[in-house]
Amino acid sequence: KAGVTQTPRYLIKTRGQQVTLSCSPISGHRSVSWYQQTPGQGLQFLFEYFSETQRNKGNFPGRFSGRQFSNSRSEMNVSTLELGDSALYLCASRWMGQGNEKLFFGSGTQLSVL
Amino acid sequence: GQQVMQIPQYQHVQEGEDFTTYCNSSTTLSNIQWYKQRPGGHPVFLIQLVKSGEVKKQKRLTFQFGEAKKNSSLHITATQTTDVGTYFCAGDNYGQNFVFGPGTRLSVLP
Repeated sequence: KAGVTQTPRYLIKTRGQQVTLSCSPISGHRSVSWYQQTPGQGLQFLFEYFSETQRNKGNFPGRFSGRQFSNSRSEMNVSTLELGDSALYLCASRWMGQGNEKLFFGSGTQLSVL
Repeated sequence: GQQVMQIPQYQHVQEGEDFTTYCNSSTTLSNIQWYKQRPGGHPVFLIQLVKSGEVKKQKRLTFQFGEAKKNSSLHITATQTTDVGTYFCAGDNYGQNFVFGPGTRLSVLP
């Protein structure tokens, strides 16, 4: 079974631009979560999608948005990029079955905002 | 909101020494998970604890879940260089999103 796939692997953008990141979950997983990882802040939860609906949302500004498609693939969009948005963005999928809630992470997208 | 704390932030040990990281949640958890992230890698699931007072072992790793389901610990016996990485706990607040602790970065000197 293929793992969680994130594209692109690296991105360089300038302030004010917008960016879209993509995540393809493990086949059969209907939940996709997004996390921002920075050296000083650890893993910060952005949002979780399940069956095309946002299930939970973290404490991030409205510039951060996401969506999920019918095939469970998810995209995350960040508009009006700021220098502080530079981070590793990780997505994780999980199968929402009882007792099997572990997260499977992708390799992440390293975003640099100049 | 729910907060999850971990101590220590960093730990440097000599190969063969033991290592322990502690995780504390501000709220009662339905379950807690532990992940390991190697340098340059992504977090990988290690284990899930569900029951109050639960203890689980994986070879040299011992995981505990507190009686009040608000704290947990990971203990590694006789560390090896392959144990290097950052260990995260993640608390599940009864169906809400997982809240990750800031992690403990472990360095093992050969």
